[in-house]
Amino acid sequence: AQRVTQPEKLLSVFKGAPVELKCNYSYSGSPELFWYVQYSRQRLQLLLRHISRESIKGFTADLNKGETSFHLKKPFAQEEDSAMYYCATLNQGGKLIFGQGTELSVKP
Amino acid sequence: GAGVSQSPRYKVTKRGQDVALRCDPISGHVSLYWYRQALGQGPEFLTYFNYEAQQDKSGLPNDRFSAERPEGSISTLTIQRTEQRDSAMYRCASSLGTVNSPLHFGNGTRLTVT
Repeated sequence: AQRVTQPEKLLSVFKGAPVELKCNYSYSGSPELFWYVQYSRQRLQLLLRHISRESIKGFTADLNKGETSFHLKKPFAQEEDSAMYYCATLNQGGKLIFGQGTELSVKP
Repeated sequence: GAGVSQSPRYKVTKRGQDVALRCDPISGHVSLYWYRQALGQGPEFLTYFNYEAQQDKSGLPNDRFSAERPEGSISTLTIQRTEQRDSAMYRCASSLGTVNSPLHFGNGTRLTVT
């Protein structure tokens, strides 16, 4: 079964420091991968998806098939980036499978 | 509509009671999903619909859980004879239903079974 693993429950960095939120997936084919974010008191929302190869709010994520990873990165963290981040993959049946989430805390 | 709307926002019920959670998706969205999220965990898939047809209910934990979307719009997730372990955040999401179309989530319903 497809699975997404986010090994860190909490990641704490200082403002201006680089950030990398780890995500590993298990899937033998071509995965479709996403990062969702939930800011405090807001709803869960899409941050970015790998097929778009986009940068949103300074975040990027590169699919590494060799390492089966889709880590989320930002060179300089901001306090407003503090949130819960969920990596997710779309399975063949059209279901979005989420990881357990990583709480990012950016300290001033 | 502004977004996916879920009601109630909070529901406290006694063990053994039935509860019905409502989801009003974004107008025109074909697909509707239900997820459950326990504290400290990621959202866990329950079931989803395309229009009024339930495509996959493999995530429903047992037969006390059921969902419907009779007219292809509003959906109701029903939990019968609630148990304390049913306490969680129940999230609804909708999408256009095309390949890679993102899920738009509601604010969720926080269910507490006492």
